[in-house]
Amino acid sequence: GQQLNQSPQSMFIQEGEDVSMNCTSSSIFNTWLWYKQDPGEGPVLLIALYKAGELTSNGRLTAQFGITRKDSFLNISASIPSDVGIYFCAGQIESGNTPLVFGKGTRLSVIA
Amino acid sequence: DSGVTQTPKHLITATGQRVTLRCSPRSGDLSVYWYQQSLDQGLQFLIQYYNGEERAKGNILERFSAQQFPDLHSELNLSSLELGDSALYFCASSAHVNEKLFFGSGTQLSVL
Repeated sequence: GQQLNQSPQSMFIQEGEDVSMNCTSSSIFNTWLWYKQDPGEGPVLLIALYKAGELTSNGRLTAQFGITRKDSFLNISASIPSDVGIYFCAGQIESGNTPLVFGKGTRLSVIA
Repeated sequence: DSGVTQTPKHLITATGQRVTLRCSPRSGDLSVYWYQQSLDQGLQFLIQYYNGEERAKGNILERFSAQQFPDLHSELNLSSLELGDSALYFCASSAHVNEKLFFGSGTQLSVL
């Protein structure tokens, strides 16, 4: 099946630092979504991207749909302790008839 | 609160048993998805239903089955349970096919 390569696998950062994570695919995607999962909870949608080059913000979070349509990144600025969790990228390949594919997640730890 | 309701939240059972996980999608959503998340694993897509009909199948074992009822709620049946089936099982819904997914809080299944 389709694979999304998400990196890094995990990150340990100091409170206040900026964070960047990304997803790449060998296939062209027409949708990129970023989710955050807190322990014991389901993933929560953070940002949805639908056009190549699109840059969308949600508070301190910013995500971009790569112009090649094969990648996306998520930035978190001025991290705070509640940013801790697992961040997943998800994408839908161009045909639109296949379910979303999820990356394996980036586990973020914030040190106060 | 995503609006997706999953029950039960926790389930402990023995090998060889059969369990049923239940999901109520967000009001108005026609599409339901089931995902499995094992320890330190990403979200593995199992199966998708749209308006009562199976739409897509992922890595779902033959011992597992699902259905979506006329009122749009869905059930995932897991039979002949094995230790390796212990995982978090998430249900998600979307308005139509493969749009933004909204996840429930999951059912934590422990097979002893």
